[in-house]
Amino acid sequence: GAVVSQHPSRVICKSGTSVKIECRSLDFQATTMFWYRQFPKQSLMLMATSNEGSKATYEQGVEKDKFLINHASLTLSTLTVTSAHPEDSSFYICSARDSIRLRGNTEAFFGQGTRLTVV
Amino acid sequence: DAKTTQPPSMDCAEGRAANLPCNHSTISGNEYVYWYRQIHSQGPQYIIHGLKNNETNEMASLIITEDRKSSTLILPHATLRDTAVYYCIVRLTGAGSYQLTFGKGTKLSVIP
Repeated sequence: GAVVSQHPSRVICKSGTSVKIECRSLDFQATTMFWYRQFPKQSLMLMATSNEGSKATYEQGVEKDKFLINHASLTLSTLTVTSAHPEDSSFYICSARDSIRLRGNTEAFFGQGTRLTVV
Repeated sequence: DAKTTQPPSMDCAEGRAANLPCNHSTISGNEYVYWYRQIHSQGPQYIIHGLKNNETNEMASLIITEDRKSSTLILPHATLRDTAVYYCIVRLTGAGSYQLTFGKGTKLSVIP
């Protein structure tokens, strides 16, 4: 199946600093990518939908100025957690769909996730 | 998207078939049933999806009832590596409906 690569897989940062997470579709183009967050023992919660060449759409309760999303190309979306605090510690996961096959019912492919710990 | 109901946990003996149920009684005619699984500390992995007919691939089989109000994911010969949380998701088709809404899923434990 298609591959979505997320980097880094694990990061520890100090409170108040910013962290950038990258999500790349390796063998397909993705007009749309999604960012999820997962707290321990909970399910994935959609944070935002990232659209190539335009502004991201954020879910209710997600601060767009805190979680900056950039989707500058068809294969790369980035999520920057700005001024991180310990409560931002979580598992962040991206997913992407193949733009060429969008008209069919295709599955979404997920990255391996990024474990963020803010100390 | 229609809501789904899954048992919170299940056990299965290694080598036996694992049958994971999902209720989606409010599913509409143009909604597909998708199954994903998440192994601990990894991103979700696509398993299978279907609309009306039963589906089978190299990973699993999906049995959808005739009224489409429930489905069962079957792992024919469960291995220890199949231990994961399994998510049943109902999703609309068509433009603008690509996001997936995850419920709590079923935690499947495959026991030696």
